[in-house]
Amino acid sequence: DAGVTQSPTHLIKTRGQQVTLRCSPISGHKSVSWYQQVLGQGPQFIFQYYEKEERGRGNFPDRFSARQFPNYSSELNVNALLLGDSALYLCASSLEAGSAAEEQYFGPGTRLTVT
Amino acid sequence: AQSVAQPEDQVNVAEGNPLTVKCTYSVSGNPYLFWYVQYPNRGLQFLLKYITGDNLVKGSYGFEAEFNKSQTSFHLKKPSALVSDSALYFCAVKVYGNNRLAFGKGNQVVVIP
Repeated sequence: DAGVTQSPTHLIKTRGQQVTLRCSPISGHKSVSWYQQVLGQGPQFIFQYYEKEERGRGNFPDRFSARQFPNYSSELNVNALLLGDSALYLCASSLEAGSAAEEQYFGPGTRLTVT
Repeated sequence: AQSVAQPEDQVNVAEGNPLTVKCTYSVSGNPYLFWYVQYPNRGLQFLLKYITGDNLVKGSYGFEAEFNKSQTSFHLKKPSALVSDSALYFCAVKVYGNNRLAFGKGNQVVVIP
Protein backbone atom coordinates (compact mmCIF):
# COMPACT_ATOMS: atom_id res chain seq x y z
CA ASP A 1 0.00 0.00 0.00
CA ALA A 2 1.16 3.49 -0.75
CA GLY A 3 1.98 5.64 2.22
CA VAL A 4 1.35 9.33 2.62
CA THR A 5 2.57 11.23 -0.43
CA GLN A 6 3.49 14.89 -0.65
CA SER A 7 4.36 17.22 -3.50
CA PRO A 8 6.53 18.89 -4.42
CA THR A 9 9.63 17.48 -2.73
CA HIS A 10 11.51 20.75 -2.74
CA LEU A 11 10.45 24.31 -3.40
CA ILE A 12 12.29 27.62 -3.53
CA LYS A 13 10.26 30.82 -3.23
CA THR A 14 10.97 34.52 -2.77
CA ARG A 15 9.79 36.58 0.17
CA GLY A 16 6.24 37.85 -0.35
CA GLN A 17 5.24 35.05 -2.68
CA GLN A 18 2.58 32.45 -2.07
CA VAL A 19 2.99 28.68 -2.00
CA THR A 20 0.70 25.63 -2.12
CA LEU A 21 1.77 22.26 -0.78
CA ARG A 22 -0.13 19.06 -1.47
CA CYS A 23 -0.74 15.85 0.45
CA SER A 24 -2.47 12.55 -0.27
CA PRO A 25 -3.26 10.41 2.78
CA ILE A 26 -3.04 6.66 3.11
CA SER A 27 -6.00 4.99 1.42
CA GLY A 28 -8.90 4.79 3.86
CA HIS A 29 -7.57 7.53 6.15
CA LYS A 30 -9.96 10.43 6.55
CA SER A 31 -7.90 12.82 8.66
CA VAL A 32 -4.92 14.91 7.57
CA SER A 33 -2.69 17.00 9.80
CA TRP A 34 0.03 19.48 8.83
CA TYR A 35 3.22 20.15 10.78
CA GLN A 36 6.11 22.58 10.32
CA GLN A 37 9.60 21.38 11.19
CA VAL A 38 12.22 24.08 11.39
CA LEU A 39 15.81 22.89 11.25
CA GLY A 40 16.96 21.66 14.65
CA GLN A 41 13.50 21.53 16.18
CA GLY A 42 10.64 19.10 16.51
CA PRO A 43 7.57 19.37 14.28
CA GLN A 44 4.99 21.99 15.27
CA PHE A 45 1.27 21.39 14.68
CA ILE A 46 -0.36 23.69 12.12
CA PHE A 47 -3.76 22.23 11.17
CA GLN A 48 -5.91 19.14 11.34
CA TYR A 49 -8.70 18.38 8.88
CA TYR A 50 -11.31 15.65 9.01
CA GLU A 51 -14.11 15.09 6.53
CA LYS A 52 -13.25 18.46 4.91
CA GLU A 53 -13.67 20.38 8.14
CA GLU A 54 -10.96 22.04 10.23
CA ARG A 55 -10.69 20.23 13.54
CA GLY A 56 -7.74 22.03 15.04
CA ARG A 57 -5.35 24.90 14.45
CA GLY A 58 -1.96 25.54 16.00
CA ASN A 59 -0.35 28.84 16.86
CA PHE A 60 0.31 30.04 13.32
CA PRO A 61 -0.67 33.35 11.67
CA ASP A 62 -3.59 33.73 9.28
CA ARG A 63 -1.14 33.63 6.37
CA PHE A 64 -1.38 29.87 6.79
CA SER A 65 -4.52 28.18 5.52
CA ALA A 66 -5.51 24.70 4.41
CA ARG A 67 -8.34 22.70 2.98
CA GLN A 68 -9.33 19.10 2.47
CA PHE A 69 -11.01 17.70 -0.60
CA PRO A 70 -13.73 15.04 -0.96
CA ASN A 71 -11.04 12.43 -1.72
CA TYR A 72 -9.38 13.37 1.62
CA SER A 73 -6.31 14.89 0.00
CA SER A 74 -5.26 18.25 1.36
CA GLU A 75 -3.51 21.47 0.46
CA LEU A 76 -1.59 23.83 2.70
CA ASN A 77 -1.31 27.44 1.52
CA VAL A 78 1.07 30.03 2.85
CA ASN A 79 0.74 33.65 1.74
CA ALA A 80 3.20 36.53 1.97
CA LEU A 81 6.14 34.24 2.61
CA LEU A 82 8.75 35.24 5.17
CA LEU A 83 12.30 33.96 5.54
CA GLY A 84 11.18 32.27 8.76
CA ASP A 85 8.74 30.10 6.84
CA SER A 86 11.68 28.10 5.51
CA ALA A 87 11.13 24.61 6.90
CA LEU A 88 10.18 21.02 6.19
CA TYR A 89 6.40 20.79 5.96
CA LEU A 90 5.07 17.41 6.99
CA CYS A 91 1.69 15.92 6.30
CA ALA A 92 0.33 13.12 8.49
CA SER A 93 -2.73 10.97 8.04
CA SER A 94 -4.86 8.92 10.41
CA LEU A 95 -8.09 7.00 10.20
CA GLU A 96 -10.12 9.30 12.40
CA ALA A 97 -9.77 12.73 13.94
CA GLY A 98 -10.80 12.31 17.53
CA SER A 99 -8.84 9.34 18.74
CA ALA A 100 -5.78 10.48 20.62
CA ALA A 101 -4.72 6.84 20.92
CA GLU A 102 -4.28 6.50 17.18
CA GLU A 103 -0.86 7.00 15.63
CA GLN A 104 -0.35 9.34 12.71
CA TYR A 105 1.60 8.33 9.63
CA PHE A 106 3.84 10.91 8.06
CA GLY A 107 4.79 11.69 4.50
CA PRO A 108 8.35 12.50 3.38
CA GLY A 109 7.71 16.22 3.61
CA THR A 110 8.13 19.24 1.36
CA ARG A 111 11.31 21.26 1.91
CA LEU A 112 10.43 24.96 1.46
CA THR A 113 13.23 27.49 1.14
CA VAL A 114 12.34 31.19 1.16
CA THR A 115 15.01 33.56 -0.16
CA ALA B 1 -0.98 22.46 27.61
CA GLN B 2 0.91 19.32 26.69
CA SER B 3 4.67 19.27 26.27
CA VAL B 4 7.61 16.95 25.97
CA ALA B 5 11.24 17.40 27.00
CA GLN B 6 14.16 15.52 25.50
CA PRO B 7 17.06 16.69 27.64
CA GLU B 8 19.98 15.44 25.56
CA ASP B 9 20.90 16.85 22.16
CA GLN B 10 22.97 13.87 21.08
CA VAL B 11 23.41 10.33 22.30
CA ASN B 12 26.56 8.46 21.32
CA VAL B 13 26.72 4.70 21.79
CA ALA B 14 29.00 1.93 20.57
CA GLU B 15 27.52 -0.67 18.27
CA GLY B 16 26.23 -3.61 20.28
CA ASN B 17 25.77 -1.60 23.46
CA PRO B 18 22.39 -0.72 24.97
CA LEU B 19 20.77 2.46 23.68
CA THR B 20 18.57 4.75 25.78
CA VAL B 21 16.91 7.97 24.61
CA LYS B 22 15.24 9.97 27.38
CA CYS B 23 11.84 11.69 27.32
CA THR B 24 9.73 13.36 29.99
CA TYR B 25 6.27 14.76 29.49
CA SER B 26 3.86 17.26 31.00
CA VAL B 27 0.09 16.97 30.45
CA SER B 28 -3.20 17.53 32.18
CA GLY B 29 -4.82 14.13 32.28
CA ASN B 30 -3.69 10.78 31.00
CA PRO B 31 -1.02 10.91 28.30
CA TYR B 32 -0.78 9.04 25.04
CA LEU B 33 2.93 8.77 24.24
CA PHE B 34 4.67 8.10 20.95
CA TRP B 35 8.18 7.64 19.57
CA TYR B 36 9.08 8.47 15.98
CA VAL B 37 12.39 8.19 14.10
CA GLN B 38 13.56 10.43 11.27
CA TYR B 39 16.31 9.54 8.83
CA PRO B 40 18.04 12.27 6.76
CA ASN B 41 15.74 13.86 4.18
CA ARG B 42 12.88 11.61 5.23
CA GLY B 43 9.60 12.00 7.06
CA LEU B 44 8.90 10.59 10.50
CA GLN B 45 8.45 6.85 10.96
CA PHE B 46 6.28 5.54 13.80
CA LEU B 47 8.14 3.26 16.25
CA LEU B 48 5.78 2.61 19.15
CA LYS B 49 3.15 4.07 21.43
CA TYR B 50 1.85 3.83 24.99
CA ILE B 51 -1.89 4.11 25.50
CA THR B 52 -2.68 2.06 28.59
CA GLY B 53 -1.82 -1.27 30.17
CA ASP B 54 1.69 -2.66 30.48
CA ASN B 55 4.28 -0.03 31.19
CA LEU B 56 6.78 -1.72 28.85
CA VAL B 57 5.83 -1.26 25.22
CA LYS B 58 7.50 -3.10 22.35
CA GLY B 59 7.74 -1.59 18.90
CA SER B 60 9.43 -1.82 15.53
CA TYR B 61 13.09 -2.71 14.82
CA GLY B 62 13.71 -4.11 18.32
CA PHE B 63 12.89 -0.87 20.14
CA GLU B 64 10.93 -0.73 23.37
CA ALA B 65 9.92 2.02 25.76
CA GLU B 66 9.06 2.15 29.43
CA PHE B 67 6.27 4.34 30.75
CA ASN B 68 6.81 5.64 34.28
CA LYS B 69 3.87 7.64 35.59
CA SER B 70 5.51 8.76 38.83
CA GLN B 71 8.51 10.15 36.97
CA THR B 72 6.42 11.31 33.97
CA SER B 73 8.91 9.63 31.68
CA PHE B 74 8.79 7.51 28.55
CA HIS B 75 12.36 6.48 27.73
CA LEU B 76 13.14 4.65 24.49
CA LYS B 77 15.46 1.66 24.71
CA LYS B 78 17.16 -0.91 22.53
CA PRO B 79 19.23 -3.73 24.03
CA SER B 80 21.86 -3.79 21.28
CA ALA B 81 22.35 -0.78 19.00
CA LEU B 82 23.11 -1.06 15.29
CA VAL B 83 24.94 1.46 13.12
CA SER B 84 21.72 1.72 11.09
CA ASP B 85 19.95 3.05 14.22
CA SER B 86 21.81 6.33 13.77
CA ALA B 87 19.01 8.86 13.22
CA LEU B 88 16.95 11.59 14.86
CA TYR B 89 14.46 10.37 17.46
CA PHE B 90 11.36 12.28 18.55
CA CYS B 91 9.14 11.74 21.55
CA ALA B 92 5.57 13.08 21.28
CA VAL B 93 2.44 13.27 23.42
CA LYS B 94 -1.30 13.62 22.93
CA VAL B 95 -4.13 13.83 25.42
CA TYR B 96 -7.64 12.40 25.29
CA GLY B 97 -9.87 14.20 22.82
CA ASN B 98 -7.00 15.99 21.13
CA ASN B 99 -5.35 14.46 18.10
CA ARG B 100 -2.50 16.95 17.73
CA LEU B 101 0.97 15.65 18.51
CA ALA B 102 3.26 17.78 20.67
CA PHE B 103 6.86 16.87 19.88
CA GLY B 104 10.09 17.25 21.77
CA LYS B 105 13.09 18.85 20.07
CA GLY B 106 14.55 15.49 19.14
CA ASN B 107 17.66 13.52 19.99
CA GLN B 108 20.38 12.73 17.48
CA VAL B 109 21.58 9.17 18.03
CA VAL B 110 25.01 8.25 16.73
CA VAL B 111 25.98 4.58 16.83
CA ILE B 112 29.73 4.16 16.54
CA PRO B 113 31.01 1.06 14.73
